[in-house]
Amino acid sequence: DAGVTQSPTHLIKTRGQQVTLRCSPKSGHDTVSWYQQALGQGPQFIFQYYEEEERQRGNFPDRFSGHQFPNYSSELNVNALLLGDSALYLCASSTDGQLDGYTFGSGTRLTVV
Amino acid sequence: GDSVTQMEGPVTLSEEAFLTINCTYTATGYPSLFWYVQYPGEGLQLLLKATKADDKGSNKGFEATYRKETTSFHLEKGSVQVSDSAVYFCALGNTDKLIFGTGTRLQVFP
Repeated sequence: DAGVTQSPTHLIKTRGQQVTLRCSPKSGHDTVSWYQQALGQGPQFIFQYYEEEERQRGNFPDRFSGHQFPNYSSELNVNALLLGDSALYLCASSTDGQLDGYTFGSGTRLTVV
Repeated sequence: GDSVTQMEGPVTLSEEAFLTINCTYTATGYPSLFWYVQYPGEGLQLLLKATKADDKGSNKGFEATYRKETTSFHLEKGSVQVSDSAVYFCALGNTDKLIFGTGTRLQVFP
């Protein structure tokens, strides 16, 4: 049974560009949450999607947006990239947001140059 | 707002030593508490959890007890192995999202 799958694994972008990261949740999960993990820091909550809608949002600017598809997969979009957006982006899936069922993917390492 | 504070790392131990990683939290209500582990190049794996005061979570020899009176959830292991070398994150659960500490790197040498 596949767990959470994220793509791509690594990405290099130039400041000002836009990027899209993708996440396929674990089979049976319907909720996707995105976290940003800067180097040497703990993950920070960006937002959560359930039933194709953003259910919760952390303290991130509108440059960060997302989408959830009918098959529960999700995308994270970041516009107007800044150097400070360089981080590991983690996707976690769960059933209706239940915390003890969270499963994390291995992440996408984004480098902005 | 809610927050988690972990002891600074790295923690360096010899194999078979006793491990303690301190974690304290600030929260409204009664959050669930978690320890996650991150191995190099990988995502986060749930190590253990506790959902209410005085609960003890345990897994793979690691333990942590939810202490409401001291708002703490310290991670312990009686005898560490080289394979335990990783970064450990304490987290609290709040309205379907996790709030993490900054992580503590553990290095175990033979």
